[in-house]
Amino acid sequence: DADVTQTPRNRITKTGKRIMLECSQTKGHDRMYWYRQDPGLGLRLIYYSFDVKDINKGEISDGYSVSRQAQAKFSLSLESAIPNQTALYFCATRGGYDTGELFFGEGSRLTVL
Amino acid sequence: QKEVEQNSGPLSVPEGAIASLNCTYSDRGSQSFFWYRQYSGKSPELIMSIYSNGDKEDGRFTAQLNKASQYVSLLIRDSQPSDSATYLCAPDRGSTLGRLYFGRGTQLTVWP
Repeated sequence: DADVTQTPRNRITKTGKRIMLECSQTKGHDRMYWYRQDPGLGLRLIYYSFDVKDINKGEISDGYSVSRQAQAKFSLSLESAIPNQTALYFCATRGGYDTGELFFGEGSRLTVL
Repeated sequence: QKEVEQNSGPLSVPEGAIASLNCTYSDRGSQSFFWYRQYSGKSPELIMSIYSNGDKEDGRFTAQLNKASQYVSLLIRDSQPSDSATYLCAPDRGSTLGRLYFGRGTQLTVWP
């Protein structure tokens, strides 16, 4: 089983619908991240969390919200999806403060029609 | 203001050549620097990290860091078709901030 699991892997929805992308991890890491990837734009940070009580906005948080339900779970919500939120979304975890390595999930491809 | 800039690419090199990937960053507080590789349709994976000025070698990969110039690069020697991927640069302040901002990536193609 993957250490970082994202669900759903693919989702097609309509404008205005509420969507939740879920992420769970078995690595025991405190730090979790949500990134969005668009062609030619690299990875852009949406939200990040250092523990259950800590939530921080990233570069592009408008239109998104998150919930850290437990150390192992970090969900990303789109309250009212719009077409320009069509993208590939990655959840990631990170270990100790001196470790740069992010461990990514396999990605959730979201299409908003 | 864009924080991380990478050579735009795409970069195409023949098998066996040296591929040079460049990255500049604006945050002078950056202490750690990471290179991730991402194959098409896959998630990124860490391939190199560098913390001090100078060169760091790991197999066919060499990372070079110049903090005064706010510049970090990745050299791939003896490039192989399997190196064809997008390479992402990510500087980090480290400490308690712990967020990583990525550049847009440079797409590398190594042709046989």
